[in-house]
Amino acid sequence: GNSVTQMEGPVTLSEEAFLTINCTYTATGYPSLFWYVQYPGEGLQLLLKATKADDKGSNKGFEATYRKETTSFHLEKGSVQVSDSAVYFCALRGLVEETSGSRLTFGEGTQLTVNP
Amino acid sequence: KAGVTQTPRYLIKTRGQQVTLSCSPISGHRSVSWYQQTPGQGLQFLFEYFSETQRNKGNFPGRFSGRQFSNSRSEMNVSTLELGDSALYLCASSFLWTGGYEQYFGPGTRLTVT
Repeated sequence: GNSVTQMEGPVTLSEEAFLTINCTYTATGYPSLFWYVQYPGEGLQLLLKATKADDKGSNKGFEATYRKETTSFHLEKGSVQVSDSAVYFCALRGLVEETSGSRLTFGEGTQLTVNP
Repeated sequence: KAGVTQTPRYLIKTRGQQVTLSCSPISGHRSVSWYQQTPGQGLQFLFEYFSETQRNKGNFPGRFSGRQFSNSRSEMNVSTLELGDSALYLCASSFLWTGGYEQYFGPGTRLTVT
């Protein structure tokens, strides 16, 4: 079945530091890949997505590239801010042609804390 | 457009009781999915409903059930509550576009079982 593995956290950085959160996946075919962010006391917000190999998703300074050869979708940001402190989830959705529908498979989540 | 709404936001129940959670999707979205989030198990898929039919089901016991109404609103029910059912229950509504499904999450219902 499908699975997603994220780097173990938590991650603590100083403001303006470079961020990388690793994400690798196991799936058949070409799944769609997502990063979601969860702020304290809130639900999940879609941060960015990529639907095919070599696609780069980007939003709010965050980027991730869909690498089929390494089955990875690492999240990066060049300069983090205190307001980026949250939990980040990598997720995949199987092929629409399968019976997966809109079902998402999530990684474990990575807690990011950015200190001033 | 209004976002996904979930009610109630917080709930405290006793072991053995049952509970019903409600989710109103974004207008026009026909797919509603439910997820359970716990510190130990992370985010796990419960089930998905599309046009009042269960389309997909996760690996949860039969105590967890759901339904969807003709207006796409969905409810999930947990019977005979156990302490381990304490979790944040997230609802997500989706629409299908050429790039696949776009999924939007509600704020969740925090269920505490004592």
